[in-house]
Amino acid sequence: QEQLVESGGGVVQPGTSLRLSCAASGFAFSSYGMHWVRQAPGKGLEWLALISNDGSKKYYADSVEGRFTISRDNSKSTLNLQMSSLRPEDTAVYFCAKDQGDVAAPDYWGQGSLVTVAS
Amino acid sequence: SYELTQPPSVSVSPGQTARITCSGDALPKRYVYWYQQKSGQAPVLVIFEDNKRPSGIPERFSGSSSGTMATLTISGAQVEDEGDYYCYSRDSSDTHRRVFGGGTKLTVL
Repeated sequence: QEQLVESGGGVVQPGTSLRLSCAASGFAFSSYGMHWVRQAPGKGLEWLALISNDGSKKYYADSVEGRFTISRDNSKSTLNLQMSSLRPEDTAVYFCAKDQGDVAAPDYWGQGSLVTVAS
Repeated sequence: SYELTQPPSVSVSPGQTARITCSGDALPKRYVYWYQQKSGQAPVLVIFEDNKRPSGIPERFSGSSSGTMATLTISGAQVEDEGDYYCYSRDSSDTHRRVFGGGTKLTVL
């Protein structure tokens, strides 16, 4: 049974950094691309970043490129999102999601981790 | 930046057919995926590659795509199908950026 569990969310001040992690189990993690997607309170889904199965390819949304970094550790079946220069508008639930293949589309999602950026 | 456009809401009575559209300039060249999200839950993939249904998704869910518009059809909508639906695709350039539509709230009552 596929399982994705996000961690690392919380309340942080504007301008600071935060690292989210996603622990994967129940599937061959190193065979699939992985995504980060967020959802601001009461808003729609926003795709943030995608990393290929071997980590060699990384793609970002315009809204986070240069501030957020996606990475993975296939030996630990873990996906990460390093977020810096956080802004109040980054407040959202952050989901990690498994790709159908390498760089196609999400097919299975975690339950999300809430990040609140406020002073 | 690339955008996918969905109607904000669709409402049908139980047993009727619900159609949710998604328009985007790159859709003639790119697959569309559809996700269902119920309140407080993570999204669930209901259609992939325009018209394929993942295992476990009821047959009443179907997808199609023609030109710059894709459509998610729920034939004989049930009360349990209420929720938000999002289309997803990528633009036609080499940027490899992905995007979700703004979402459509489906009401079945």
